[in-house]
Amino acid sequence: AQSVSQHNHHVILSEAASLELGCNYSYGGTVNLFWYVQYPGQHLQLLLKYFSGDPLVKGIKGFEAEFIKSKFSFNLRKPSVQWSDTAEYFCAVFFSYNTDKLIFGTGTRLQVFP
Amino acid sequence: GAGVSQSPSNKVTEKGKDVELRCDPISGHTALYWYRQSLGQGLEFLIYFQGNSAPDKSGLPSDRFSAERTGGSVSTLTIQRTQQEDSAVYLCASSRTSGAAGELFFGEGSRLTVL
Repeated sequence: AQSVSQHNHHVILSEAASLELGCNYSYGGTVNLFWYVQYPGQHLQLLLKYFSGDPLVKGIKGFEAEFIKSKFSFNLRKPSVQWSDTAEYFCAVFFSYNTDKLIFGTGTRLQVFP
Repeated sequence: GAGVSQSPSNKVTEKGKDVELRCDPISGHTALYWYRQSLGQGLEFLIYFQGNSAPDKSGLPSDRFSAERTGGSVSTLTIQRTQQEDSAVYLCASSRTSGAAGELFFGEGSRLTVL
């Protein structure tokens, strides 16, 4: 069955540190890829998405992600985190043979200390 | 409304009781999703609606769970004979289009606690 893996469950960083959160999925066919963010007390919202084209996509608040097809990965990055980036981050994938179901990873809790 | 609306925001119930959770999607969104968010478990897909039909019910955990959508708009998730393991946040999301091309817009969730 299709699955999405986020290996970092809890990440703690100081402000200005660089961030990379891993995301891997289990299917070698066509996928649509997403990162969602949930700030404390708020609802889930889209951070960025990849459907096709340039595998390096940029999202809101300085986040970017790179799709590496050969590695089945879609890692999220930010060069310099801020305290306001403290949140839970979820990778999500639409698999082409089951296009109506968005499968989420288990999430990564990011804490940024000033 | 401007966003996805869910009610109640919090529900505490006794084991064995039935509960209904409501979702009002963004106007004009044809696709509607239910997910369950448990601590450390991420988001678990429950069911998806396209219009009033549910092409994918594969995520419903047991036959105690059911959902319906009427008029292509409001959806209700019903949990019968609740158990303590049903305690979670139930999230609803809607999308303009069916599936892959659409961005999902989430509600605030309904937090269910079964005592």
